[in-house]
Amino acid sequence: QITLKESGPTLVKPTQTLTLTCTFSGFSLPTPGVGVGWIRQPPGKALEWLVLIYWNDDKYYNPSLNTRLTITKDTSKNQVVLTMTNLDPVDTATYYCAHRRYIGAWGGFDYWGQGTLVTVSS
Amino acid sequence: DIVMTQTPLSLSVTPGQPASISCKSSQSPMHTDGKTYFYWYLQKPGQSPQLLIYEVSSRFSGVPDRFSGSGSGTDFTLKISRVEAEDVGVYYCMQGLHLLTFGGGTKVEIK
Repeated sequence: QITLKESGPTLVKPTQTLTLTCTFSGFSLPTPGVGVGWIRQPPGKALEWLVLIYWNDDKYYNPSLNTRLTITKDTSKNQVVLTMTNLDPVDTATYYCAHRRYIGAWGGFDYWGQGTLVTVSS
Repeated sequence: DIVMTQTPLSLSVTPGQPASISCKSSQSPMHTDGKTYFYWYLQKPGQSPQLLIYEVSSRFSGVPDRFSGSGSGTDFTLKISRVEAEDVGVYYCMQGLHLLTFGGGTKVEIK
């Protein structure tokens, strides 16, 4: 059974750096064809994809946020860590991590965490 | 950047009636391998999104067969043959070929 759970601060001040951790179980990130992504959703708004990291350490970033994002993985801890710099109130959102895998083709995000609400405010 | 445009923005449906949502991509999500990296998700109120459809028309595990996806090129459609109360929420399309992009969402409610 695949599960993912996001953790991190709920309140961040403008200009600060946000670090979120996705802790997962039920799969192994070194397994070929596996990836973990981060997606966010401002209150009442649509989903926005942020970044993906794959089993081979390939990383793909949303071009509009590229310079502010870093994603890393710790396979020994079954964790993926997202760092976002220079936070602004518009970054207030629920942040989700999700699992993606290759099964003859790249599937969608088939398992999602519950999400964590991050508020950016002074 | 790829833009995904969903219509309508919202939909009010009588239980038992069909519903249809469209999604237009500014570029085709079809790979040279012949696979089309296009997906549909449903986000029920207060929940995380859940995958409904992958590769345009394949239902994810556990998804009822009243949901069907179709389309090609840049135009795609999600159909619900008979809407049930549990189908309320916001539906999102997503392309997964040129990085990843979600549509703006279509809110479905019951009349």
